Amino acid sequence: DVKVTQSSRYLVKRTGEKVFLECVQDMDHENMFWYRQDPGLGLRLIYFSYDVKMKEKGDIPEGYSVSREKKERFSLILESASTNQTSMYLCASSSSVRTSGIYNEQFFGPGTRLTVL
Amino acid sequence: GEDVEQSLFLSVREGDSSVINCTYTDSSSTYLYWYKQEPGAGLQLLTYIFSNMDMKQDQRLTVLLNKKDKHLSLRIADTQTGDSAIYFCAESGGYQKVTFGTGTKLQVIP
Repeated sequence: DVKVTQSSRYLVKRTGEKVFLECVQDMDHENMFWYRQDPGLGLRLIYFSYDVKMKEKGDIPEGYSVSREKKERFSLILESASTNQTSMYLCASSSSVRTSGIYNEQFFGPGTRLTVL
Repeated sequence: GEDVEQSLFLSVREGDSSVINCTYTDSSSTYLYWYKQEPGAGLQLLTYIFSNMDMKQDQRLTVLLNKKDKHLSLRIADTQTGDSAIYFCAESGGYQKVTFGTGTKLQVIP
């Protein structure tokens, strides 16, 4: 069974702290993504990576950075957490080849709900 | 950039049909998807349609695509309480990136 796991389901941090969110996939997928989900705004792409050590900015990269040292692991870093980064963070992965008849099916982790006080 | 819009909320009675609508702006979209997010979970692919199709049926689900108007809809027949979830429309031009809509929260009233 395909799986994307995220290191924490719930996280509470203080303003100014450095925060690490970890994501691991076991499907040997090339592509990995970090989104944030906010009510009424849907999913917004923060960063994505299409290969080890490669990264691309998404639509809202400000205040975030990422690291992909191994194919299966993609980390999201908040260098100095702020209250406006309180959100649900979703990690996803996808294959670069056509699988089950389609491209770009994304497989999601359960999400990390981050609260910054 | 690409934009995908949905209404935020839909309420239906159990046994009725639900229709969730979506509009998108990217005329080069190759794949259009519907994802479902159940409470406390990540998103899961529900169904998809290629841009050269205008309809796809999969059991209780019917997807309609009007490419001229860039309008996508998802019809759920005989809606059940287990269908209560957030439904996301999404589009992709064939590259790695997928653009998701704002999500429609479907509430099914028993």
